[in-house]
Amino acid sequence: KAGVTQTPRYLIKTRGQQVTLSCSPISGHRSVSWYQQTPGQGLQFLFEYFSETQRNKGNFPGRFSGRQFSNSRSEMNVSTLELGDSALYLCASTRQGGFHEQYFGPGTRLTVT
Amino acid sequence: DQQVKQNSPSLSVQEGRISILNCDYTNSMFDYFLWYKKYPAEGPTFLISISSIKDKNEDGRFTVFLNKSAKHLSLHIVPSQPGDSAVYFCAIPNRDDKIIFGKGTRLHILP
Repeated sequence: KAGVTQTPRYLIKTRGQQVTLSCSPISGHRSVSWYQQTPGQGLQFLFEYFSETQRNKGNFPGRFSGRQFSNSRSEMNVSTLELGDSALYLCASTRQGGFHEQYFGPGTRLTVT
Repeated sequence: DQQVKQNSPSLSVQEGRISILNCDYTNSMFDYFLWYKKYPAEGPTFLISISSIKDKNEDGRFTVFLNKSAKHLSLHIVPSQPGDSAVYFCAIPNRDDKIIFGKGTRLHILP
C-alpha cells in the first residue's frame, strides 16, 4: 500500500508570494491533517479535513487555508508569505479522522526569502 | 504557555542500555497520549499510545508509562538499538479536537 505523498518536497518562495502544497493520503483514508514544524515551535497542528470538510483548525492566521477534494487529496495554501512561514509542512492521513495512528508524509520544506 | 513539554532536547544512551524519554503536560483532562518517532527527511511515525485509564502500555521494546497525578508520561526503550536514533515526540489530542505536540527529544544511541 502506498504511503502518504507530498509534493513538492522542496520549495523556495519570496516574501509576499503565495504557495500551494499538495498531499495525497493513503488509499481509503478520508482524513488529512496538516502540520507546521519549525525549530522554535516544534510541530503545530494547522487543520484537519474529513470528507471535503474542515473539521478542526489550529491557531494560525487566515493566510493559511486548505481544501480537500472528493478523492481525499488535500491542498494547503499560504498567501502573503512571511519569512516566519519557512518550515517543514507535514500532512498526515487516517481512515476515520482523529489523531490516533496517523500516517505522515515526508513533508514539504518551504523556504521563504 | 506550553501544554506539552519535553524538557530534554537531546539524550545520548549506550547501545543495549535503557532509553527513557520524558513528557510533562498541564491539562488533567487529556484522554490519550501518543509517541511518535521521526527520522531526518521523513515524516513522524506513530510508535505507541496509552489511554488515560491505563498506567502502562507495552509493545515489544517500547513501554509507555503514565503518571496521571504527576501529569507525566515516559517512553522506555530497552534494549536501545542504533536504529532508535531519531527525534521522539509526545503528542496529546485535546478535547477541542486539536493535537498538541511536544518539541521533541533527539535520541542518540552510542555504539
